[in-house]
Amino acid sequence: QVQLVQSGAEVRKPGASVKVSCKVSEYGFALTELSMHWVRQARGKGLEWMGGFDPEDGETIYAQKFQGRVTMTEDSSTDTAYMELSSLRSEDTAVYYCAIEVEYSRSLDYWGQGTLVTVSS
Amino acid sequence: DIQMTQSPSSLSASVGDRVTITCRASQSISSYLNWYQQKPGKAPKLLIYTASSLQSGVPSRFSGSGSGTDFILTISSLQPEDFATYFCQQSYSTPRTFGQGTKLEIK
Repeated sequence: QVQLVQSGAEVRKPGASVKVSCKVSEYGFALTELSMHWVRQARGKGLEWMGGFDPEDGETIYAQKFQGRVTMTEDSSTDTAYMELSSLRSEDTAVYYCAIEVEYSRSLDYWGQGTLVTVSS
Repeated sequence: DIQMTQSPSSLSASVGDRVTITCRASQSISSYLNWYQQKPGKAPKLLIYTASSLQSGVPSRFSGSGSGTDFILTISSLQPEDFATYFCQQSYSTPRTFGQGTKLEIK
């Protein structure tokens, strides 16, 4: 049973940064062999893709909206992925999800439980 | 960026009804179209991938069709647990983009 377990809720002030973790277990592959993506959802709103690893290019692609503010990294020794978002503003208040994109179908088959990030002064 | 437009944005239906949700892409995405179901407070769940393939464990009352720019999610006979929000997503190119969602409510 594949599990993606994310870190707990965070509260930050405007202008600060937040780093959300996503630990992968029981997948059968090393994290470096996966395509990890991040999606966020503001309360009552739709799903917004932030970025993810593109195996064709061999690099992480970020949505233009977040370019320069987001960094997605991995620690292969602990099978943990991270998403760091900087220069936070109130509009960044949302639930952030990690999800694994399966290569052959390019679908997000496995999801973390979500991490609520609240940006408030 | 490829824009994904779902319709309707909300839908009221009864248990046992047949329901269809439409998703249109702003350009051809071949069959790289996925459907997700989301219930309140939960992560999205994959239902259909590559337009028409049923994800393992998903009931057969769910089906998907289409290619190119026009896609349909069909629920053949609504069950109480199907009342949720449904999203389409294109995975033809980056950035990956989602439809705005269709909220399926009990009539």
